[in-house]
Amino acid sequence: RKEVEQDPGPFNVPEGATVAFNCTYSNSASQSFFWYRQDCRKEPKLLMSVYSSGNEDGRFTAQLNRASQYISLLIRDSKLSDSATYLCVVKSTGGFKTIFGAGTRLFVKA
Amino acid sequence: DAMVIQNPRYQVTQFGKPVTLSCSQTLNHNVMYWYQQKSSQAPKLLFHYYDKDFNNEADTPDNFQSRRPNTSFCFLDIRSPGLGDTAMYLCATSNPGDTQYFGPGTRLTVL
Repeated sequence: RKEVEQDPGPFNVPEGATVAFNCTYSNSASQSFFWYRQDCRKEPKLLMSVYSSGNEDGRFTAQLNRASQYISLLIRDSKLSDSATYLCVVKSTGGFKTIFGAGTRLFVKA
Repeated sequence: DAMVIQNPRYQVTQFGKPVTLSCSQTLNHNVMYWYQQKSSQAPKLLFHYYDKDFNNEADTPDNFQSRRPNTSFCFLDIRSPGLGDTAMYLCATSNPGDTQYFGPGTRLTVL
């Protein structure tokens, strides 16, 4: 079993739609969680950190469920510019080991 | 602007010919990381430096080495590149426990 698993997609949605991605992780000792966005042939860029209480940044909402070991990302009112690959990232306790999921591809269409 | 810079952006090398990729940062972060990302796959951590302390991932091939001569610079050396080493190589920096910031990557092609 992979340490971090994501549905690769692709998710094809119309502009204005709401879309949700989930990510599961296997190491219950994991402490830090992030969503990164990666455009084609570019480097990953931090979208948002994920906190236990859940957090929101504009149209983006991230949730963490430690009991079930998954994190989620909700995108409301999708824009064409949201088309990208979304990477789930999990970091180990007190360390530097960072595990990336393989990413979920999102295509937003007009 | 503070940033992470990688050179070259594109590198083509021949099978078995050593290659060095460069990363520099103006963020003054303690930690520098090297990742390998193959097409449609997740970035895979190769190793990281915490200041001068080098930490190799258990499954990183011996063919991959790294040097960090000072806080700002870190190099990835591939001693004898194979065809399977064709990938994007990403450098990232952070302070311990903080968010990682990535450079634009070096796209390496081994012929």
